[in-house]
Amino acid sequence: ETGVTQTPRHLVMGMTNKKSLKCEQHLGHNAMYWYKQSAKKPLELMFVYNFKEQTENNSVPSRFSPECPNSSHLFLHLHTLQPEDSALYLCASSQARGLGGELFFGEGSRLTVL
Amino acid sequence: AQTVTQSQPEMSVQEAETVTLSCTYDTSESNYYLFWYKQPPSRQMILVIRQEAYKQQNATENRFSVNFQKAAKSFSLKISDSQLGDTAMYFCAFMTAVGGTSYGKLTFGQGTILTVHP
Repeated sequence: ETGVTQTPRHLVMGMTNKKSLKCEQHLGHNAMYWYKQSAKKPLELMFVYNFKEQTENNSVPSRFSPECPNSSHLFLHLHTLQPEDSALYLCASSQARGLGGELFFGEGSRLTVL
Repeated sequence: AQTVTQSQPEMSVQEAETVTLSCTYDTSESNYYLFWYKQPPSRQMILVIRQEAYKQQNATENRFSVNFQKAAKSFSLKISDSQLGDTAMYFCAFMTAVGGTSYGKLTFGQGTILTVHP
C-alpha cells in the first residue's frame, strides 16, 4: 500500500469545468509537492508546501490553485484549463528535515482536458 | 538554474546482463544530492539510489550502483544482473534546497525507458 494516495486516478474535463485533485499522505511528513509529468518532458515542479505554508510556486498559471489544509492533505483545484494542461499530476511528500530526504510519490492523477 | 540531462531516451538489455544509464547535470551549488528514481508501468516513482555530492565514495544498493564524477558533473547508474522487474522509466534527479528552507526539491531529467528482455 502506497503511503501517498491520489484521487481520482483518471479525470476527463472540459475547458470550462472546475475540478479538484486530492493527495493524502500517511507517512507523517510535513512537506508536500505537486509535479506535472507531460510526455517527453522532464517532470516540472509546480508547488511546494511545508506545514500548510506554500514555500514555492514555480510560475504556475493561476488556473491551477493549490490548497493545503493540513500537513497530510494537498489539493490542486483546476478551472478553465487548456488542452495542453493534459498530463499526469504527481503528488509527493517528504520529511523536510534537512537536504537529501527522499520524496515519496503517489501513483498520479491522469488528467485529460477536452 | 539547475538542469539535468539524460541523453538516452531508450535502452534495452538482456536479463542477467549489465546496463549503464547516463546522466549529466549542471549547477553552481556546492551542497546538493543526486538521485535515481524508477517509475514502473504502474506509475509510482520509487527511489533507487541516492548520492551526497560531498561524498567521494560511490553509492551502492544491492544490484544498483552509481559512478559519480563530480568534476565532470556526471552521475551514471549501473544495473547489474538485470531482472525483468527492472523494466521501467528511470529518472535522474538533482536536489537543491527549497528557497529559504533546509529541505529539498527535485529537478528531473527527461527519463530513460529501460526494457529488460528475457
